[in-house]
Amino acid sequence: NAGVTQTPKFRVLKTGQSMTLLCAQDMNHEYMYWYRQDPGMGLRLIHYSVGEGTTAKGEVPDGYNVSRLKKQNFLLGLESAAPSQTSVYFCASSYHLARADNEQFFGPGTRLTVL
Amino acid sequence: SQQGEEDPQALSIQEGENATMNCSYKTSINNLQWYRQNSGRGLVHLILIRSNEREKHSGRLRVTLDTSKKSSSLLITASRAADTASYFCATDANTGNQFYFGTGTSLTVIP
Repeated sequence: NAGVTQTPKFRVLKTGQSMTLLCAQDMNHEYMYWYRQDPGMGLRLIHYSVGEGTTAKGEVPDGYNVSRLKKQNFLLGLESAAPSQTSVYFCASSYHLARADNEQFFGPGTRLTVL
Repeated sequence: SQQGEEDPQALSIQEGENATMNCSYKTSINNLQWYRQNSGRGLVHLILIRSNEREKHSGRLRVTLDTSKKSSSLLITASRAADTASYFCATDANTGNQFYFGTGTSLTVIP
């Protein structure tokens, strides 16, 4: 099993450009999450999904959109990138949080720089 | 605002010593989890403790939970250089759909 994979690993954007980050998991997890990690801030939840076709806002959703058309994929979009979105982005997945084994599995991260 | 806060922010110890880090949170929880992050990598789950449990062990890890004080501690015994990483606590805050991560403790184990 590959676990959770993210593409791309690195990206540099100019202000105003758009891009999509792709997350894929092969563990048949219901839940998927997008976090951003900034120095001294820990991980902050951007958006999450509790199942195919559903999405919800997390702690810092502004400037981002997401889609979960297939259970195994969760896409994070930046429509008009801003320097404040320079960060490391992590995708994670888990079983339903009501389950006993609901730990999150993380991808390797995408390092995004917006100039 | 973040649910969990780790203390200390940074910790440096000699190999073989024990490392203790603490996590405080704000609201009632169903469970609390600890994760490790090596530099430049994704987080890896270490251990989960439920709100009705007070202590849990896994190998060299010992986690305690005090729901009355809304705090948890992670003890790593007989530390190794390979334990050098950042450690995060995560709580579900009874929301049922998401976890909240703290800012992490950066542990350095000196060989």
